Amino acid sequence: EPEVTQTPSHQVTQMGQEVILRCVPISNHLYFYWYRQILGQKVEFLVSFYNNEISEKSEIFDDQFSVERPDGSNFTLKIRSTKLEDSAMYFCASIPNLSSYNSPLHFGNGTRLTVT
Amino acid sequence: RKEVEQDPGPFNVPEGATVAFNCTYSNSASQSFFWYRQDCRKEPKLLMSVYSSGNEDGRFTAQLNRASQYISLLIRDSKLSDSATYLCVVRSTSGTYKYIFGTGTRLKVLA
Repeated sequence: EPEVTQTPSHQVTQMGQEVILRCVPISNHLYFYWYRQILGQKVEFLVSFYNNEISEKSEIFDDQFSVERPDGSNFTLKIRSTKLEDSAMYFCASIPNLSSYNSPLHFGNGTRLTVT
Repeated sequence: RKEVEQDPGPFNVPEGATVAFNCTYSNSASQSFFWYRQDCRKEPKLLMSVYSSGNEDGRFTAQLNRASQYISLLIRDSKLSDSATYLCVVRSTSGTYKYIFGTGTRLKVLA
């Protein structure tokens, strides 16, 4: 079964540094998401991406964050000037297209970000 | 009111028991409903989609009540391996295509 792939699985960074989290969505999927889950808390929507632009973003997704799909396969989340409170699991997910209303999210196995 | 609300639990049940979880949602335009299972520090994994007529997959049964805006998950004959957090997920198609997650309900099945 095709999978969403995320790298790295664990990233440790110092406060103030920039990190890039990478995702390779399922190849025929067109709509992509980033979600975040702080330890012990709920899975929170960050951003959705379609046709090479942001479709929707949450209040969490401020100027510190950016997404892009630089080469048609990788989908990246960049966090500039990381803060301690950015420590969380970051999940990438995708769906085939918007019209498949009953399509569930397909998740990658996540990147655990630890900011020290 | 939270968009998607679940009782966080934990639900501690003996092996073989039947357990039910409910989830309420606030947006009446919600169109798609799912139950995911999440093990500690792992990604959510789809357990089942929830259809209007209700659906069953082995020991798992999901129901949708649009009038009261809730969905339910019933697990029969609980196994130790069912211990996990069960996430209710709702997708609206009215101006947004976000999938909204509940906080999850933690289940512990005891030997």
